[in-house]
Amino acid sequence: KNQVEQSPQSLIILEGKNCTLQCNYTVSPFSNLRWYKQDTGRGPVSLTIMTFSENTKSNGRYTATLDADTKQSSLHITASQLSDSASYICVVSTRGSTLGRLYFGRGTQLTVWP
Amino acid sequence: KAGVTQTPRYLIKTRGQQVTLSCSPISGHRSVSWYQQTPGQGLQFLFEYFSETQRNKGNFPGRFSGRQFSNSRSEMNVSTLELGDSALYLCASSLDTEPGAEAFFGQGTRLTVV
Repeated sequence: KNQVEQSPQSLIILEGKNCTLQCNYTVSPFSNLRWYKQDTGRGPVSLTIMTFSENTKSNGRYTATLDADTKQSSLHITASQLSDSASYICVVSTRGSTLGRLYFGRGTQLTVWP
Repeated sequence: KAGVTQTPRYLIKTRGQQVTLSCSPISGHRSVSWYQQTPGQGLQFLFEYFSETQRNKGNFPGRFSGRQFSNSRSEMNVSTLELGDSALYLCASSLDTEPGAEAFFGQGTRLTVV
């Protein structure tokens, strides 16, 4: 069964601290993995997208890693800011299918306190 | 360049009624996908359209339907509304339907069924 599991479900950190969010997937055949940031009441915004051959991809203070062998990904946020408070969603797509067939994790709700 | 536009942003309906949601993709994008987001289930795929044709469909009852027009704008219809249909409905547009294509989400329509 194609599934995407994220942990932790929620996380509270202090402003300026770093954090790492985890994503494990069983989606096959794998095409790419994306991390999205979703502010409350708004649509998700893409942070990174990685294919099978990519191990690391950065977008400012966000760094995503991918281990296609163990089917694990992480999103590392450095020097957190209050504006990082949001839900972070891991999304996996499959080869041989169309874009719409995306598999979503339930997200990690990150809260950054001053 | 305008982003993905969804209307209306908020909607309140009573059980048994029907509702139509609209999505205008980014100019030049021919693929539109629809998703339902609830706190309990996260994001779930509804359907995907490309050049006015439904390319993929999720596991939702027939009360959920959609269509795409020649200008790529898409509508989603839910008939005989149930309380459980209360959710944030998101659409995403992309240039094509390849699994690696970037998907851009709209702000969503918050539907409340009372």
